[in-house]
Amino acid sequence: EADIYQTPRYLVIGTGKKITLECSQTMGHDKMYWYQQDPGMELHLIHYSYGVNSTEKGDLSSESTVSRIRTEHFPLTLESARPSHTSQYLCASSEFSSAYVDEQFFGPGTRLTVL
Amino acid sequence: GEDVEQSLFLSVREGDSSVINCTYTDSSSTYLYWYKQEPGAGLQLLTYIFSNMDMKQDQRLTVLLNKKDKHLSLRIADTQTGDSAIYFCAESRNSGYSTLTFGKGTMLLVSP
Repeated sequence: EADIYQTPRYLVIGTGKKITLECSQTMGHDKMYWYQQDPGMELHLIHYSYGVNSTEKGDLSSESTVSRIRTEHFPLTLESARPSHTSQYLCASSEFSSAYVDEQFFGPGTRLTVL
Repeated sequence: GEDVEQSLFLSVREGDSSVINCTYTDSSSTYLYWYKQEPGAGLQLLTYIFSNMDMKQDQRLTVLLNKKDKHLSLRIADTQTGDSAIYFCAESRNSGYSTLTFGKGTMLLVSP
């Protein structure tokens, strides 16, 4: 069973609020990721990190920001939420493998609704 | 750029075999993966295949890879209602710094 946690699981907030989605893993993985999942299922990589103090933007442009101060923690922040940010947000982690296999472990997701 | 394509929906009856197909465009793909997402949950790795292999079998799961046609398939034998989920095909390149490129997912519905 994957030891990767996301809080909150569900969040309903008003437009303009600042929010932080939490993601933590206890597996000591260096690599961590944030994906945004459409209602139509498609996954979009929005941020990733290769380790402490490393953050990269993903394929989909996002108004969110991330930080990686500790190996186990990779929070995502929206400074001013808008209805267009309504989505499912999935956090994942994986380790560097000498064989380059990228087995990503996913958290249960945060379903965000912005009114 | 990299692209991974899947059919969006598959419906089968319990006990039948299911075959989910995927095509990809990146010829430098090194590993190809199948992930499963159950309702209300994150994704879970089901299996993966290295690009120099043609087939991999793991209990009820069989993965076939046609590298020439860049075609990947996942066959689930004796499909059960618990197999109802979204299945994502993904690929990565030969680097520890490569990210996964996912297809849009195939929703498998298994009816009794």
